[in-house]
Amino acid sequence: AQKVTQAQTEISVVEKEDVTLDCVYETRDTTYYLFWYKQPPSGELVFLIRRNSFDEQNEISGRYSWNFQKSTSSFNFTITASQVVDSAVYFCALSEATYSGGGADGLTFGKGTHLIIQP
Amino acid sequence: DAGVIQSPRHEVTEMGQEVTLRCKPISGHDYLFWYRQTMMRGLELLIYFNNNVPIDDSGMPEDRFSAKMPNASFSTLKIQPSEPRDSAVYFCASSPIGGGAAGYGYTFGSGTRLTVV
Repeated sequence: AQKVTQAQTEISVVEKEDVTLDCVYETRDTTYYLFWYKQPPSGELVFLIRRNSFDEQNEISGRYSWNFQKSTSSFNFTITASQVVDSAVYFCALSEATYSGGGADGLTFGKGTHLIIQP
Repeated sequence: DAGVIQSPRHEVTEMGQEVTLRCKPISGHDYLFWYRQTMMRGLELLIYFNNNVPIDDSGMPEDRFSAKMPNASFSTLKIQPSEPRDSAVYFCASSPIGGGAAGYGYTFGSGTRLTVV
């Protein structure tokens, strides 16, 4: 069975600091997909990134970057020069994309990391 | 596109009452998922549909929970009778053909915050 672990329950940093959110996953599949979602105080789940298991290239999007390492089963998320608006709960998630019934299964989420950016 | 639409946004009900949560997926998305978020258990998948057919309901906690998808544009999650421990935020999500496998990701609705008193 798949599992996603976000060991950091809460992180608090001062604005403009860099911060890395850790994500470790477990799966028996060779084909799988990893995601990060942001949940701001308003409560909605905002999609940030998706990565498939065959693409280990790091990705950068503005102040956000992701480091995927299959060797350590990790998919870490770094925010550079953090801002107060980055304060939220961040979820890492895994989809094994098994084809029961002809399609992909749902997401298995980690417990989330509550990120607090202090001004 | 209006995204995934859930209603109501908030629901307060008394223990023992029937509660119905509603979801309209994004047009053209073949997959629909229901998730529940609680402090204790985090985000957990309850059930999902493919082309209106329930595929996996192993996450549905009890027989008091039922979900239907009568057509491609509407799904309901019903709790009867409701209990205080059902208090949670319920999210609906939809995805195109292949879901995560095709790389399109999952789009979530804004959620329904259910409080059972």
